[in-house]
Amino acid sequence: NAGVTQTPKFQVLKTGQSMTLQCAQDMNHNSMYWYRQDPGMGLRLIYYSASEGTTDKGEVPNGYNVSRLNKREFSLRLESAAPSQTSVYFCASRAHPTNYGYTFGSGTRLTVV
Amino acid sequence: DQQVKQNSPSLSVQEGRISILNCDYTNSMFDYFLWYKKYPAEGPTFLISISSIKDKNEDGRFTVFLNKSAKHLSLHIVPSQPGDSAVYFCAASAADNNDMRFGAGTRLTVKP
Repeated sequence: NAGVTQTPKFQVLKTGQSMTLQCAQDMNHNSMYWYRQDPGMGLRLIYYSASEGTTDKGEVPNGYNVSRLNKREFSLRLESAAPSQTSVYFCASRAHPTNYGYTFGSGTRLTVV
Repeated sequence: DQQVKQNSPSLSVQEGRISILNCDYTNSMFDYFLWYKKYPAEGPTFLISISSIKDKNEDGRFTVFLNKSAKHLSLHIVPSQPGDSAVYFCAASAADNNDMRFGAGTRLTVKP
């Protein structure tokens, strides 16, 4: 049971480059989330998808786009990377809106130089 | 605005003693609170939760206390074990709300 799988685990980008972070869950969960973790800031919600076919902005959406490709997959795209987007990115999922415990992936460490 | 605050970046305790991690929140709409545990190079894992209709929830060595009037919750670990050494995040959410807010985390070190 893989849970939530994120790829890649590490990435270095140059300013202005684009990339897509991939996330897939095999638990048949309805809702999926993208968070970023920065020192002293905790985890901040970038975008979420409450169910297949829907996406909504979170606390810090600027500079990002998302796609809920199907029930399993939720990708995060950086169109033009900036050094301020250097962070650790976590994807998470949960089964139902009333089930508050999230299952997180192991993270993608992104450095923008 | 940081709606969930963990004011202690770190805590060190002796094995076998109690660990108390604290969390404060500002949004009175929050009605569900969780604690997550995170080891290095791993994602956070759900530890324990409490809804606003309760003031205490226990799960083995872990107990969460909620004081709604003070907008404060705490996590007690008794007895603490070296394997408990990790970063602990407090999180809060309003009913049916996908925008869960996290604190900055407290790094707990349990010394043998």
